[in-house]
Amino acid sequence: DGGITQSPKYLFRKEGQNVTLSCEQNLNHDAMYWYRQDPGQGLRLIYYSQIVNDFQKGDIAEGYSVSREKKESFPLTVTSAQKNPTAFYLCASSTGQGAFDEQFFGPGTRLTVL
Amino acid sequence: AQKITQTQPGMFVQEKEAVTLDCTYDTSDQSYGLFWYKQPSSGEMIFLIYQGSYDEQNATEGRYSLNFQKARKSANLVISASQLGDSAMYFCAMREGRSSGGSNYKLTFGKGTLLTVNP
Repeated sequence: DGGITQSPKYLFRKEGQNVTLSCEQNLNHDAMYWYRQDPGQGLRLIYYSQIVNDFQKGDIAEGYSVSREKKESFPLTVTSAQKNPTAFYLCASSTGQGAFDEQFFGPGTRLTVL
Repeated sequence: AQKITQTQPGMFVQEKEAVTLDCTYDTSDQSYGLFWYKQPSSGEMIFLIYQGSYDEQNATEGRYSLNFQKARKSANLVISASQLGDSAMYFCAMREGRSSGGSNYKLTFGKGTLLTVNP
């Protein structure tokens, strides 16, 4: 089945540590996205990538880093510079084409900083 | 100013009745798209319905329809014949400036409405 996988589902981190969230898609999509969701809030864009080896900052990129070495993979690193990293993180992908261009979402990773 | 406003933090509806979830948007672009997503307690985002700014007819997908009033900049979601499984968060989102061949990738989300369907 085609889709997006994110791992792990739950992640605990000590303050001051970097942590990497995985996102893989087998939909053959060019574009991939990372969003952050805080309780009672909508999604905010962290980073997105239109194509392999290219990515752009979203609205809240500070304290995060990404890479896009393969079309299928778009890992997100939450660095120690991110002041309030506890949140729900969602990865998405789309074809990147046309006016519609539905974004398909993964199941999410819930990160808690202890 | 917020680009997407959902004024109802929570809504209640009786099973089998219809419910309208409000969404207003703010943009100066002529070309934009409006999306509604459902987020159950499991956390995944499920796409429901899409309306393009140039679409003359309101979008419909099964029990979901989008009441698009362009002059009022509103894009309300109507769910007919509510089911218990419709209980979830619902998010309205907008992508501006994307026409055929355009390059804007960003979706802007509202804060959501928590819908509870009562038996």
